[in-house]
Amino acid sequence: EVQLQESGPGLVKPSQSLSLTCSVTGYSITSNYWGWIRKFPGNKMEWMGYISYSGSTSYNPSLKSRISITRDTSKNQFFLQLNSVTTEDTATYYCARSYEGVMDAWGQGASVTVSS
Amino acid sequence: NIVMTQSPKSMSISVGDRVTMNCKASQNVGNNIAWYQQKPGQSPKLLIYYASNRYTGVPDRFTGGGYGTDFTLTINSVQAEDAAFYYCQRIYNSPWTFGGGTKLELK
Repeated sequence: EVQLQESGPGLVKPSQSLSLTCSVTGYSITSNYWGWIRKFPGNKMEWMGYISYSGSTSYNPSLKSRISITRDTSKNQFFLQLNSVTTEDTATYYCARSYEGVMDAWGQGASVTVSS
Repeated sequence: NIVMTQSPKSMSISVGDRVTMNCKASQNVGNNIAWYQQKPGQSPKLLIYYASNRYTGVPDRFTGGGYGTDFTLTINSVQAEDAAFYYCQRIYNSPWTFGGGTKLELK
């Protein structure tokens, strides 16, 4: 059974970078697509981007200049980096496994607050 | 970019009622829609994919329908455990945009 777990700092200062790790067990990240999604305090959900089985990436155009998704296949992990964060980036961040955009397995979520 | 609009934003339903919520795409997306359920404190769970396919283990009281720009999620005989947020999402072609969600509350 695939399991995903997000990890990273829960508090980030404005203008700094947010970095999260998604550790995957029970399934190889060299198959399928692996994405990041966030849910804001007002309950809006936003797809942020994905990294594919081959390492190619696709990002939400609204984040394209600030986001990077990378991976370490030897550790079966993939990563999110979001630069120049503001308080508007305060959210719960989820990683998920995807096939053609259908997200069938999710992590528990990591709450990130952007505050000085 | 395609915008997904869900309605209503919230609804209050009694156990045993039938409820239908809507998702409208700003452009034709064919059947490329998924539905998710998210309960408080939990991660989202996949309910329906490609508009009408029920995911493994999802009770058959959940039914998805629609094509093109207009989609529905119907819950027959709502149960207490169905209280949650429901999100539609465009799939297949990125960006994989989510709708704003519908909050289902039980009376």
